[in-house]
Amino acid sequence: GQNIDQPTEMTATEGAIVQINCTYQTSGFNGLFWYQQHAGEAPTFLSYNVLDGLEEKGRFSSFLSRSKGYSYLLLKELQMKDSASYLCAVRDSNYQLIWGAGTKLIIKP
Amino acid sequence: GAVVSQHPSRVICKSGTSVKIECRSLDFQATTMFWYRQFPKKSLMLMATSNEGSKATYEQGVEKDKFLINHASLTLSTLTVTSAHPEDSSFYICSARDPGLDTGTQYFGPGTRLLVL
Repeated sequence: GQNIDQPTEMTATEGAIVQINCTYQTSGFNGLFWYQQHAGEAPTFLSYNVLDGLEEKGRFSSFLSRSKGYSYLLLKELQMKDSASYLCAVRDSNYQLIWGAGTKLIIKP
Repeated sequence: GAVVSQHPSRVICKSGTSVKIECRSLDFQATTMFWYRQFPKKSLMLMATSNEGSKATYEQGVEKDKFLINHASLTLSTLTVTSAHPEDSSFYICSARDPGLDTGTQYFGPGTRLLVL
């Protein structure tokens, strides 16, 4: 079966750095997406990785290792507004998106 | 990024009535749109893939006759929850894929919160 694993919840301090991991087992791979979802709102697109390596976009970076079936989202200089759920999704060989359950990130002052 | 709108944002209805939710891509043409539902503190669950000009593809366990999907134009897809019941109360979110982007990223509408009394 297809599976996406990410931690259920993480806590971090304002101004710090946090890394949210995602591991996947899917039938084929055609890209990995990270989305941010604030409570009561729809997801918003953060990043896309299809090749191994690090993609940096401001305070957020996303890393991919296809051989390990592993990705992480790195958030730097955390702000209170970063408190949200972070969803990892993998596009499989049929170009279907397989969604993780999301990681709830709690930022403390 | 691409903009997707959804209407209404919130609806309360009586059990047995039907509710229509609209999803529009505002600045691009979307041949494919997706409908999700999400229960509190749960992950997104794909309900169906809406293809312009053809029948929608439903995920296993989703009733076609209960959740009617129409994708009549390249910028509009509608989801109609027929004869709604309290267990249909949920957060319904649509997304659209911008074919102009190589990544095929899905962009989400703001969602519709449905409460069936």
